[in-house]
Amino acid sequence: KAGVTQTPRYLIKTRGQQVTLSCSPISGHRSVSWYQQTPGQGLQFLFEYFSETQRNKGNFPGRFSGRQFSNSRSEMNVSTLELGDSALYLCASSTRQSLNTEAFFGQGTRLTVV
Amino acid sequence: AQSVTQPDIHITVSEGASLELRCNYSYGATPYLFWYVQSPGQGLQLLLKYFSGDTLVQGIKGFEAEFKRSQSSFNLRKPSVHWSDAAEYFCAVGDTGGFKTIFGAGTRLFVKA
Repeated sequence: KAGVTQTPRYLIKTRGQQVTLSCSPISGHRSVSWYQQTPGQGLQFLFEYFSETQRNKGNFPGRFSGRQFSNSRSEMNVSTLELGDSALYLCASSTRQSLNTEAFFGQGTRLTVV
Repeated sequence: AQSVTQPDIHITVSEGASLELRCNYSYGATPYLFWYVQSPGQGLQLLLKYFSGDTLVQGIKGFEAEFKRSQSSFNLRKPSVHWSDAAEYFCAVGDTGGFKTIFGAGTRLFVKA
């Protein structure tokens, strides 16, 4: 069974640009969550999608957005990039039938903003 | 609001020695608790989880954790550490209000020969 796939693995962007990251969940998983990981802030929750609906959103500015498609694949977009957006962005998928359901993480996309 | 505290930023143990990583949580009801491990450049892998039942939980790679409600703790243990255990370890709690997982700051484990 294929795991969670995130593309691209590495990305370098310039301040002010926008970026789109992609996440393909494990087959059959309808929940996709996104996290930002930085050395200073640790793992911060961005948002969660389930069956194309955003169910929860973390405390990030509106520049951070996401969506989920009917095949459960998800994208997150960051507009008007800032240096502080440099981070590892992790996607996790699960069946999310209950809170003790395990989340499976991808290897992440390392975004560097210069 | 739920929160997770990992008091130790980093820990160094000798190979073959025992390990205990501390985790304290803040939560009103019975929490859903997890331990994840992250190797450099990788995503997170679930080691074990607790949501009810036996307070001593067995996980993968020889890890176990004990839930202690009176201390609001969920410490991770391993009797004998291997060099391959060097990684960052995250304690986490499931947020019943919003279908999200709240992570602690992580503890980086160094293993010396």
